[in-house]
Amino acid sequence: DIQVTQSPSAMSASVGDRVTITCRASQAVHNYLAWFQQKPGKVPQRLIYSSSILEGGVPSRFSGSGSGTEFTLTISGLQPEDFATYYCLQHHGDTLAFGGGTKVEVK
Amino acid sequence: EAQLVDSGGGLVEPGGSLRLSCAASGFIFPDSWMTWVRQAPGKGLEWVATITPDGSRKLYVGSVKGRFTISRDNAKKSLFLQMNTLRAEDTAVYYCASQFSSSSHFWGQGALVTVSS
Repeated sequence: DIQVTQSPSAMSASVGDRVTITCRASQAVHNYLAWFQQKPGKVPQRLIYSSSILEGGVPSRFSGSGSGTEFTLTISGLQPEDFATYYCLQHHGDTLAFGGGTKVEVK
Repeated sequence: EAQLVDSGGGLVEPGGSLRLSCAASGFIFPDSWMTWVRQAPGKGLEWVATITPDGSRKLYVGSVKGRFTISRDNAKKSLFLQMNTLRAEDTAVYYCASQFSSSSHFWGQGALVTVSS
């Protein structure tokens, strides 16, 4: 089974900061990697799919990159509404796996 | 407007069974891979099961293999998760979701399953 390691698990940041979250897969997953944002009590929302394609309606400050085993979500200029938990998901092969999540908190 | 509506959650005793449903509308359900995802209280997201558009392949996380069965009825645009031999650790909000790698991606609102005596 392909496992995903997401880092960091939590971070403190300020409005305007550049935030980078990384996911590493235990095997190559090509570009079958998506990123989600979840706020407390809410349904997860997809931000990025196929590693780098921005979901419609998602602000351009969010970007995704990577292929193979290493992927990155970048928020360029953190906004107040971006404080949330972020998850990656690999969906290649016969198993899917979410990363453990990254909680982005106010510094 | 496309949407998924989850239903069937509730309180069940350990060892019991429950069947979740997910009703789809507003997109081409028969063309879509469908997935169940769960989230235990205060925990992260966990993939549970996925089914191909024609229902011929079913994929499961190891902890539910042999206990849970994913299925679909394309004529009724519905997805199901039959959960048997439930354990306390199966307590979670269960979400259905459509395929992750296309623009036609949606989540249900979630159904709470509580396994407790």
